[in-house]
Formats: sequence, structure tokens, C-alpha cells
Amino acid sequence: KAGVTQTPRYLIKTRGQQVTLSCSPISGHRSVSWYQQTPGQGLQFLFEYFSETQRNKGNFPGRFSGRQFSNSRSEMNVSTLELGDSALYLCASSLEGNIQYFGAGTRLSVL
Amino acid sequence: AQTVTQSQPEMSVQEAETVTLSCTYDTSESDYYLFWYKQPPSRQMILVIRQEAYKQQNATENRFSVNFQKAAKSFSLKISDSQLGDAAMYFCAYHTSGTYKYIFGTGTRLKVLA
Repeated sequence: KAGVTQTPRYLIKTRGQQVTLSCSPISGHRSVSWYQQTPGQGLQFLFEYFSETQRNKGNFPGRFSGRQFSNSRSEMNVSTLELGDSALYLCASSLEGNIQYFGAGTRLSVL
Repeated sequence: AQTVTQSQPEMSVQEAETVTLSCTYDTSESDYYLFWYKQPPSRQMILVIRQEAYKQQNATENRFSVNFQKAAKSFSLKISDSQLGDAAMYFCAYHTSGTYKYIFGTGTRLKVLA
């Protein structure tokens, strides 16, 4: 069974641009969560989707948004990028249960 | 609000020795799950061990075991016979059903010395 796939692996953007990250969950998993990981801050929860519905959202500004498609693939979008958005963005999928399986992440650098 | 605290930013252990990583959490819930995840330098986060709060027995997975103290809200990870491949960031995480949200600690970087 293929694992969680995140694309792209690396991204370099400039301030003010927008970016879209993609996540394909493990086959059969309908829950997808997104996290921002920065040194010293650990993993900060962004949002969780299940069957195309956002069920929970973390404390991030409205510039951070996401969606989930009918095949459970998910995208997150960050608009008007700021230097502080530079981070590793992790996606995790799970069955309707509680063990999360993570992707390798997308490293976003904002210049 | 629920919180997870890992007070040890970095730990070192000699190969073949035992090390314990600490984690405390705060919650008013009685039914929840606790996890330890490992993130090697290649970045892929993997589950090490899981504990259901309603189970008094401590979870074990081969060389990994936990000391779950529900009243003290403590959840430490013990790694026995440490190996070079155990070197990684270790994250403690909390989850309660119905919130669809996991809360992670800030992580402990474990170094294994040959």
C-alpha cells in the first residue's frame, strides 16, 4: 500500500506570492490533517478534513486555507506569503480512528 | 485547553544503554490517546507507540515502552538497548475523539553515541 504522498517536496517563493501544496492520503483513509513544523515550535495544527468537510481548524490566519476532494486528496493554500511562513508542512492521513500516518512533507522557503 | 509539554529539547544516550524521554500533558478529558512519534533526519514521521488512556497497562513495542501516569498526566518513553538508528526527533502527541485534532509537543532530539 502506498504511503502518504506530498508534492512538491521543496518550494521557493517570494513574499506576497501564493502557494498550493498537495497531499494524497493512504488509500481508504478519509481523514487528512495538515501541520506546520518550525524549529522550536513543534507541529502546529492547521486543519483537518474528512469527506470533503473541514472538521477542525487551528489558530492560523485566513491566508491559510485548505480543501479536500471526493477522492480524499487534499490541498492547502497559503496566500500573500510572509517570511514567517517558511516551514516544513506535513500532511497526515488516518482512518476514522486515531493513528496518523505522515507524508515526508513539503519544505517551503519564502524569500 | 489541552497542552503537551516536552521539557527536554535534547538528550544523549550511549549505544546499548537505556534512555527515558519525558512528556506531560494537561487535559480535563478522561478518554484520550497518547502517542510517541519519531522523526528521523529524513523527515518522515512514524508512530513509535500508542497508549489508550482507559488502559492502565503500559504499552510496549519491542525496545520501546511507556510509563503512563494518568493522575500525574505524565507519559514518558523508555528506549532500551539504544541503537544508532534511534537517533531522531521524538514527539509526544495527544488526541481525543470528537475534536479531530492532535496536539504535539515541541519535540526532544535524541542523539545516540557510538
